[in-house]
Amino acid sequence: AQKVTQAQTEISVVEKEDVTLDCVYETRDTTYYLFWYKQPPSGELVFLIRRNSFDEQNEISGRYSWNFQKSTSSFNFTITASQVVDSAVYFCALSEGPPGNTGKLIFGQGTTLQVKP
Amino acid sequence: DVKVTQSSRYLVKRTGEKVFLECVQDMDHENMFWYRQDPGLGLRLIYFSYDVKMKEKGDIPEGYSVSREKKERFSLILESASTNQTSMYLCASSDDRGGYSNQPQHFGDGTRLSIL
Repeated sequence: AQKVTQAQTEISVVEKEDVTLDCVYETRDTTYYLFWYKQPPSGELVFLIRRNSFDEQNEISGRYSWNFQKSTSSFNFTITASQVVDSAVYFCALSEGPPGNTGKLIFGQGTTLQVKP
Repeated sequence: DVKVTQSSRYLVKRTGEKVFLECVQDMDHENMFWYRQDPGLGLRLIYFSYDVKMKEKGDIPEGYSVSREKKERFSLILESASTNQTSMYLCASSDDRGGYSNQPQHFGDGTRLSIL
């Protein structure tokens, strides 16, 4: 069965600190996709990144970076020099790949990040 | 930009009522999804649809039904609302891209539903 675990329920940091959000997944599929979403206090989930299981390259986008390691089934998310606007709930999610994929997402429990000024 | 619009941000209903939550997307997406979000549980899939008049059960379909009469609209129905259905409900849509349905899902703002 597919499962996503975000062991950190809440993280609190001071502005400018670096912070890493952990995500561990379980799947029997050889082809799958991993996602990160951000949910600010307004409520709407905002898509951040999608990664397929064949692409283990780490990715950097501004202050955001993602570390995908198939060997440990992890897809961790790091925010460098955090800012107050980064305060949100962050979700990691898993989707099975083809054939027969349906686009269903399995979400982790979410990590609430609070960045204090 | 993709826009997914949910009809209400906040809704209060009574036990036993039939409740309709509406969702509309403007990007001609094939796939649409309904989730509920509860503290400590993340998002759980209730129902999804990959075409007009098609529907599939998600992980927690009990007590819910859905309707998709038009491609852009996906409705979630609580047949007889109960207090344990008090939750945040999120609608999402995604592009199919010829059957490879792992495109990012785009979410609405959510409906916070309270059943009294």
